Amino acid sequence: GQSLEQPSEVTAVEGAIVQINCTYQTSGFYGLSWYQQHDGGAPTFLSYNALDGLEETGRFSSFLSRSDSYGYLLLQELQMKDSASYFCAVGSQGNLIFGKGTKLSVKP
Amino acid sequence: NAGVTQTPKFQVLKTGQSMTLQCAQDMNHNSMYWYRQDPGMGLRLIYYSASEGTTDKGEVPNGYNVSRLNKREFSLRLESAAPSQTSVYFCASSDRDYYGYTFGSGTRLTVV
Repeated sequence: GQSLEQPSEVTAVEGAIVQINCTYQTSGFYGLSWYQQHDGGAPTFLSYNALDGLEETGRFSSFLSRSDSYGYLLLQELQMKDSASYFCAVGSQGNLIFGKGTKLSVKP
Repeated sequence: NAGVTQTPKFQVLKTGQSMTLQCAQDMNHNSMYWYRQDPGMGLRLIYYSASEGTTDKGEVPNGYNVSRLNKREFSLRLESAAPSQTSVYFCASSDRDYYGYTFGSGTRLTVV
């Protein structure tokens, strides 16, 4: 079967660093993506890792280890506007399979 | 540049009624997708179209049909709505497999 596991909720304070982990089990693997979704909004693309290692985009970084079927999203210098749900997604069999999402709450 | 446009934004149906959700993209993307999102369930793929003229089933296709009318438009039809189809429906498009999907703003559907 295919499955992605990520924590359901994470809480952090403004200015801190938070890491959201994702483990996956899929038939075929074509990269790990991360999406952000604010309440009532649409998912928006954040990052994509096709190969092992770290990708950095501003305050956000994403990491992939294909041998461990594991990745994470790292958010630095947290801001209140980062409060949202974050979804990992794996490319498999022609499309994206999404995890159930991690709700990040940033406190002042 | 509108990106992906979905209509309607909200809809209430009675059980057994039919309706079509419309989706159009103006980014010249080849691939288009329909997802549903339920609380605690993440996004689940209903149908997708890798190119004009082709459609394939996703994880949860039962009770739905799709039409890829042309490269821009991909519609989702509920022939006989059921309360279990109450959900938020998102259309998405991309120009590369597995990468950088652009989502529409969603259709919030309630079936009573």
